[in-house]
Amino acid sequence: AQRVTQPEKLLSVFKGAPVELKCNYSYSGSPELFWYVQYSRQRLQLLLRHISRESIKGFTADLNKGETSFHLKKPFAQEEDSAMYYCALSQVAGANSKLTFGKGITLSVRP
Amino acid sequence: GAGVSQSPRYKVAKRGQDVALRCDPISGHVSLFWYQQALGQGPEFLTYFQNEAQLDKSGLPSDRFFAERPEGSVSTLKIQRTQQEDSAVYLCASSFREGINEQFFGPGTRLTVL
Repeated sequence: AQRVTQPEKLLSVFKGAPVELKCNYSYSGSPELFWYVQYSRQRLQLLLRHISRESIKGFTADLNKGETSFHLKKPFAQEEDSAMYYCALSQVAGANSKLTFGKGITLSVRP
Repeated sequence: GAGVSQSPRYKVAKRGQDVALRCDPISGHVSLFWYQQALGQGPEFLTYFQNEAQLDKSGLPSDRFFAERPEGSVSTLKIQRTQQEDSAVYLCASSFREGINEQFFGPGTRLTVL
């Protein structure tokens, strides 16, 4: 069974500080990993995926298969980054690409 | 274009009532997913459609939960004889085609069972 663990529920930092949101996963195959974000009063939306290997809004995430981790990082947090962040996993090239989510972490960036 | 829409946005039901939650996916999207999000938790998979075919219903918590997508577009999630533990936000997501793993989420329906 696949599982996603986000060990922290809340991260509070000052503007300009570095951010690292932790995500660990367990899955026997080759998963696809995602970070989804939900801003206040908005719907859940994709932030980035490991396959794209791109930086979105200054965020990056590297898949570490040895440590089964997919931590989300940003060198300098902005107030507009305050939101709920979910790490998610799906099977690659499966007939059912359902997502398995972690419990999420609230990022609060103070001025 | 319009995103995924869901209705109603809020639903209050008395224990034992039946409810029906509607999802309008993005036009042309083949895949449709339902998730349940309890307070303080991440979304949990309920069921998946590819066009009108329900290919996976492994996440439905009991036989009181039923989903359909008869014409491969709009989907309805029905919960019979609601219980307090059914209180949650129900999210619908759609994606364009198999293997393209970007799901677009609706705003959700918040169900409260009294």
